[in-house]
Amino acid sequence: KNEVEQSPQNLTAQEGEFITINCSYSVGISALHWLQQHPGGGIVSLFMLSSGKKKHGRLIATINIQEKHSSLHITASHPRDSAVYICAVPRMNRDDKIIFGKGTRLHILP
Amino acid sequence: GAVVSQHPSWVICKSGTSVKIECRSLDFQATTMFWYRQFPKQSLMLMATSNEGSKATYEQGVEKDKFLINHASLTLSTLTVTSAHPEDSSFYICSARDFGGSYNSPLHFGNGTRLTVT
Repeated sequence: KNEVEQSPQNLTAQEGEFITINCSYSVGISALHWLQQHPGGGIVSLFMLSSGKKKHGRLIATINIQEKHSSLHITASHPRDSAVYICAVPRMNRDDKIIFGKGTRLHILP
Repeated sequence: GAVVSQHPSWVICKSGTSVKIECRSLDFQATTMFWYRQFPKQSLMLMATSNEGSKATYEQGVEKDKFLINHASLTLSTLTVTSAHPEDSSFYICSARDFGGSYNSPLHFGNGTRLTVT
């Protein structure tokens, strides 16, 4: 079993739909990252969170440390949101090692 | 926000030649940089951790003599793919951590380099 599991692997939705991407992890962490990888390959850090909820524009990230689960939500989705969204966690017992989920490929149709 | 510049963004080279990829932190000092390789539709795979002024730490299975890493300053790390072969064709991406940052510091990534070896 992978230490970081994301679901769904692929998601296609219509413009305007509310999107939810889930991440579950099995290792002990103190923070979790949500990343966005554009079709060209570049990666942007969206959120780093260790508890509760963070919001940036139409993006919302939540985390439940007890349940080892995080979600990324996109409200009023737009075709430009089409990208791969990656959940990543640093291992607490191994400095500098980041475990990446396999990513969720999101495609928003106009 | 912090910017990491990676160059070139794409390169095509012939088998047997060497290719150098640069990763620069533009507005912060990065004591630690990470080099990743990514195959199509796969997750990022850590190749090595580059620390300024010391030898890089390579992950198991990554050939040190094949993938030379140099981190000579707080703003520049380079990855050289030596004697490239077609199987080295991949997407390579770096990330950098702020000077003094811990493993919980924000992650800053370059835009990646797509290497094609013919």
